[in-house]
Amino acid sequence: AQSVTQLDSQVPVFEEAPVELRCNYSSSVSVYLFWYVQYPNQGLQLLLKYLSGSTLVKGINGFEAEFNKSQTSFHLRKPSVHISDTAEYFCAVMWGGFQKLVFGTGTRLLVSP
Amino acid sequence: NAGVTQTPKFQVLKTGQSMTLQCAQDMNHNSMYWYRQDPGMGLRLIYYSASEGTTDKGEVPNGYNVSRLNKREFSLRLESAAPSQTSVYFCASSEPGQGAREQYFGPGTRLTVT
Repeated sequence: AQSVTQLDSQVPVFEEAPVELRCNYSSSVSVYLFWYVQYPNQGLQLLLKYLSGSTLVKGINGFEAEFNKSQTSFHLRKPSVHISDTAEYFCAVMWGGFQKLVFGTGTRLLVSP
Repeated sequence: NAGVTQTPKFQVLKTGQSMTLQCAQDMNHNSMYWYRQDPGMGLRLIYYSASEGTTDKGEVPNGYNVSRLNKREFSLRLESAAPSQTSVYFCASSEPGQGAREQYFGPGTRLTVT
């Protein structure tokens, strides 16, 4: 079965430092890739998506992610984080023609002053 | 344009009680989904509806039923609630097709079963 792995359950970082949240998935055959953010007590909001084309994808709030087919990864990066980026981040993958998303277990980003 | 709405926002049930979670979307999307979110487990798909009139099981369908009432509405029913169903439930919708596969999520329903 297809799976999505977010190895880091929690990532603490200081404000203005760079951050990378890792995401790996089980197969790169015809994938569509997403990162969602969830602020406390809220629903999920799309940060960015990769459907095709350039492997570097830019999203909202200064985030970007790179699709690496050979390593089956889609890591999320931000060069300088803010306190307001404190949230939980979910990587999700859709394979081929299927409409179902498979989510990773999430990474809690904790930004401190 | 409200997007995806869910009712209720919070609910406490006793074991064995039943309830229906309501979801509606105003984006004219064909596909709708129900997920549950539990700590350390991410979101898991309960049921989905690819289009009006169809429903299919997801990863964790046991103990749940769904109804796609029309194109806008997709409800989730717990016939006999169990403590293991304590969770946060999210509804989502999407319009399948090239370039438009993202899912839009509602604000969630926090359910506690005692």
